[in-house]
Amino acid sequence: TVLTQSPATLSVSPGEGVTLSCRASQNIYTYLAWYQQKPGQAPRLVISRGSTRANDVPARFSGSGSGTEFTLTITSLQSEDAGVYYCQQFNRWPWTFGQGTKVEIK
Amino acid sequence: EEQLVQSGAEVKKPGESLKISCQGSGYLFGTYWIGWVRQRPGEGLEWVGSIYPTDLETRYSPSFEGQVIISSDKSLSSAYLQWNSLKTSDTGIYYCGRRRVGYGAPVDLWGQGTLGTVSS
Repeated sequence: TVLTQSPATLSVSPGEGVTLSCRASQNIYTYLAWYQQKPGQAPRLVISRGSTRANDVPARFSGSGSGTEFTLTITSLQSEDAGVYYCQQFNRWPWTFGQGTKVEIK
Repeated sequence: EEQLVQSGAEVKKPGESLKISCQGSGYLFGTYWIGWVRQRPGEGLEWVGSIYPTDLETRYSPSFEGQVIISSDKSLSSAYLQWNSLKTSDTGIYYCGRRRVGYGAPVDLWGQGTLGTVSS
């Protein structure tokens, strides 16, 4: 299952909102997770099952979608939200990742 | 505290062997899948494969089948990723992560990563 993320890069001012997209090549129901990776760090789970926030993830992060179209929305972006965001599907083996969206803070 | 701690960075030559480790603590190690993920320099994430420590069921992504070996020792709460003959293209950071048993469960805990450099 191929996951295509867009855009490749986003440059946003603090306080603004952003929407990241992840499109699957086939129906993956809601078996999609989002991860945040900061430079030099391991990924961190942000959203599971398409829309469930992980523990300790701020409420400004939300996920939506099902089937082949998914979005991750960050409202009121903070400086610590900068990083690369990856989606990953767990519907069909092998598990696959999208290529990532880099979120930069202006 | 639940954590996965990985072994340290390695520098190897092409053709050499390597085995890196991932040790879990603070949770019942045998009740979660352990997966391995590769990240080449400046690139994205690739799923290598997974192992269930309790029964040693192992799955490999097609790109990695025959290229690596995943193993585990539940008594040591550890999982391993090994190569018998390294290539320069194996260079990258390798992360381990745990997944709850059950369809669609994500990786909810990650190791800190192990940098493997293969260079002549």
